[in-house]
Order: sequence, then structure tokens, then C-alpha cells
Amino acid sequence: NAGVMQNPRHLVRRRGQEARLRCSPMKGHSHVYWYRQLPEEGLKFMVYLQKENIIDESGMPKERFSAEFPKEGPSILRIQQVVRGDSAAYFCASSPRTRSGANVLTFGAGSRLTVL
Amino acid sequence: KQEVTQIPAALSVPEGENLVLNCSFTDSAIYNLQWFRQDPGKGLTSLLLIQSSQREQTSGRLNASLDKSSGRSTLYIAASQPGDSATYLCAVSFRETSYDKVIFGPGTSLSVIP
Repeated sequence: NAGVMQNPRHLVRRRGQEARLRCSPMKGHSHVYWYRQLPEEGLKFMVYLQKENIIDESGMPKERFSAEFPKEGPSILRIQQVVRGDSAAYFCASSPRTRSGANVLTFGAGSRLTVL
Repeated sequence: KQEVTQIPAALSVPEGENLVLNCSFTDSAIYNLQWFRQDPGKGLTSLLLIQSSQREQTSGRLNASLDKSSGRSTLYIAASQPGDSATYLCAVSFRETSYDKVIFGPGTSLSVIP
């Protein structure tokens, strides 16, 4: 079991470009969470997805950010027209949700976005 | 609003000292609480997980306690070593209507001086 896989590990973009971050959950996990960690800050919840469904996107900025978790393939966090303030580490976590309350998250190593 | 706070924000201790990191949360309706370690520029390493029905968990020199009624958890590190230097994050799984929402505290940055 390879764990939660995130790629790219490091991504550099110029202002106005698009950033796409990918997350493959652990085998058997059907729930994905995205968190953002700004420099010198803690992790902030962004979005929670199940296969083909966005359950809670209350932490997502209203514009330029979107997330999906298709039936096949990894979850994608997409940032359009990036700005310098988007520079951060983006962490993905997955869980199996075998039963209510057993929501133990396994985290990926993160994707570090730098906007020039 | 569900919030998680951690005190102190930063801590510097000499090697060998025992220390306590604190985590507070605003809502006692939780499923579990997890302590993570994060090294600079790295990902998260899970240290200890405490389910809401448990009072404490131990792993080696680490001991985490949970007092749900008062909304507090402590991480106790015995005989600290320079290799313990890192940021320690507390993450609380709150009960939501339809799913369990995990919220992180801001972290405590620990420096153990040789």
C-alpha cells in the first residue's frame, strides 16, 4: 500500500498561470480532504470530497479554486490565475470511513506551490 | 464555531527536559483527536490518536491525554532530545451532521537545545 500519493511535490508557476495538484488516496479509501498550509501557519481545511461528490467546500476561496474527485483517477485541486498569495503547501488526506466516527486521516507528503 | 488552539506557540527547552504541549477545542462533540509532528518543509507524521472514549494513549516517550468535557488534550514528551525539534500539530475530528470534520490547531514549534 503506497499510502496517499500527491504530485507534483513541488510546482512553480508565474502569476496568472494555472496550477493542478493531484492526490491519489490510499487503496480502499473513498474520501479525500484538501488542506492548505500558508508559510508559518497551521493547516486550514479547504474541501472534503467523496467519489464524484463535493461534500463540504466551505474552506475553498470563492474564486479561482476548484476541486474534483472523479469516479476514476485521482482527486484534483485546481487553482486558476494563480497569485503570489496562493504560494503554500497543499496537503491531501484520505480516509476509508468504515463507520461513522472512524474518520482517521492519512496524509500525503504535500505539494508545495510557489508563485513567482 | 469549532476551533482548535495550541499553547504555547513556540517552546525552547534544554535536552533531557520533560515538557507538555497543550491543545484546546471549543466543541466537546468529537470523535477523536490526533497529534502530528511536522518537520520544516515536510509532511505530517502521525504520533498518537485518541478516540473520544479514551483518556490517554502512549507511544515510547510520548503520552497524550484527552479530557473531552473540558475540551483539552496534552502531549507529554519525556526526556526530550534534539531530534524532537519540530512543529507539533493537534487535529480534532468534530462531529458534523453528515460527516466528521477535522480541524487543526496552529501548532507548537518545539526546539530542543543540545
